[in-house]
Amino acid sequence: DQQVKQNSPSLSVQEGRISILNCDYTNSMFDYFLWYKKYPAEGPTFLISISSIKDKNEDGRFTVFLNKSAKHLSLHIVPSQPGDSAVYFCAASLTDSWGKFQFGAGTQVVVTP
Amino acid sequence: DAGITQSPRYKITETGRQVTLMCHQTWSHSYMFWYRQDLGHGLRLIYYSAAADITDKGEVPDGYVVSRSKTENFPLTLESATRSQTSVYFCASSVSHRSQPQHFGDGTRLSIL
Repeated sequence: DQQVKQNSPSLSVQEGRISILNCDYTNSMFDYFLWYKKYPAEGPTFLISISSIKDKNEDGRFTVFLNKSAKHLSLHIVPSQPGDSAVYFCAASLTDSWGKFQFGAGTQVVVTP
Repeated sequence: DAGITQSPRYKITETGRQVTLMCHQTWSHSYMFWYRQDLGHGLRLIYYSAAADITDKGEVPDGYVVSRSKTENFPLTLESATRSQTSVYFCASSVSHRSQPQHFGDGTRLSIL
C-alpha cells in the first residue's frame, strides 16, 4: 500500500521556465517531508525538506509547498536549468519512525533548451 | 574521501546463490538503511539500523539478512537469491533518525539469472 504517490512519471519543461512536481500522501500522521534528486548511476541526493509545522520552505531556486489539509506537497524549480534533468523523489516520515521514510515512485524531469 | 561507498557496483548471480552487498560509511553516522529501487515503486526500505548491533525490518525484509557489528559497515545478504530480488540496491546513512536527510551511496545493480 503506497502511502506516498507521485502521479506524474515524467515532466518536460523548457529551460528558464518553472517546473512543478507534485506529491500526494495518504497518512495524515506524516510530519516530515523531503525531496531528493537522482541522476543515472548515482544515489539520490537531498534537495530540500519541510516540517509539517510549516507550509513553505525555500532554498535558492527550489521551493517546497505543503498543504496538510489536502495531503499534498509540491516542489517548484524556478528557473529550470538543464542540470535539473533528473528523477525527483518525494519522501515522508512519521513521528518517531526511526528515520523510516516512505518514498514516492519518482518523477523524471527533462529540461529542454 | 569521507562518504558512503557500496560494493560491488554491479553483480550478476544465479538463483539460489548467496550474495552479500557491502556498505561502508566514514561519517560515523548512527543510522544506516538499505533500500531497493524498482520501477514504479520508488525506493522501498529493506532493513535499517539505529546503531551497532541494533537492526530492524523495513517494508520489504523477506529474503534478506543484515548485520552491523561495526558502526561504519552495514552489509546486506541475500541468503538464497531469487529473480524477484533483481533490483538496484541503495545504502544510506544519517546522523539521527529525526528530521534529518539520509545520505545515499551510488547503488549496487544486482541481476539474478
